[in-house]
Amino acid sequence: GESVGLHLPTLSVQEGDNSIINCAYSNSASDYFIWYKQESGKGPQFIIDIRSNMDKRQGQRVTVLLNKTVKHLSLQIAATQPGDSAVYFCAEKGYNFNKFYFGSGTKLNVKP
Amino acid sequence: GAVVSQHPSWVICKSGTSVKIECRSLDFQATTMFWYRQFPKQSLMLMATSNEGSKATYEQGVEKDKFLINHASLTLSTLTVTSAHPEDSSFYICSASTGTGSLLAGELFFGEGSRLTVL
Repeated sequence: GESVGLHLPTLSVQEGDNSIINCAYSNSASDYFIWYKQESGKGPQFIIDIRSNMDKRQGQRVTVLLNKTVKHLSLQIAATQPGDSAVYFCAEKGYNFNKFYFGSGTKLNVKP
Repeated sequence: GAVVSQHPSWVICKSGTSVKIECRSLDFQATTMFWYRQFPKQSLMLMATSNEGSKATYEQGVEKDKFLINHASLTLSTLTVTSAHPEDSSFYICSASTGTGSLLAGELFFGEGSRLTVL
């Protein structure tokens, strides 16, 4: 459903520090998760994905952790750079619904 | 990589008029297209799933007569906001999938969005 009346939480980090962005999902039928980055006025960009049979997946400077027990997903960004400033969304898909639903999002602000 | 183009990228219209937004897959055939709406500082809300040659499947709470979706070819889907009102002002984003089975992020490509402002 739609996130109504909620403003995006903001995470401010210093350039070079590591960032951790969290996401909670509610649908236990979800078995595939994706992190997207969205810059102002643009469409989402794919960052990394993870299937429910995994609990960790690493990419370039990014790591996604999945905890199915508590329905929690996190995105870790190493050595955060000013270019990482954006809004980050998690999205989920389930075996019985072949489409992506987006979470509420977090705005990442990287201070130089 | 695959490119999805939306047109127009922004549009201003008067209340009561209808506005059509196009979503094109430029270098691939899209079996499925999805339409999302995003209000300022909020997340993307899935509106409908569109399959070529068939009627769109709308999410609960989305008025199908208000938001007309047509997917006439494998490279084009259109969203028409009928009798637009100021509360329809939003950022509309489409995505197109090349997949024919279980959807994967690597097979899903997003457009750059269309900002609609209704006066």
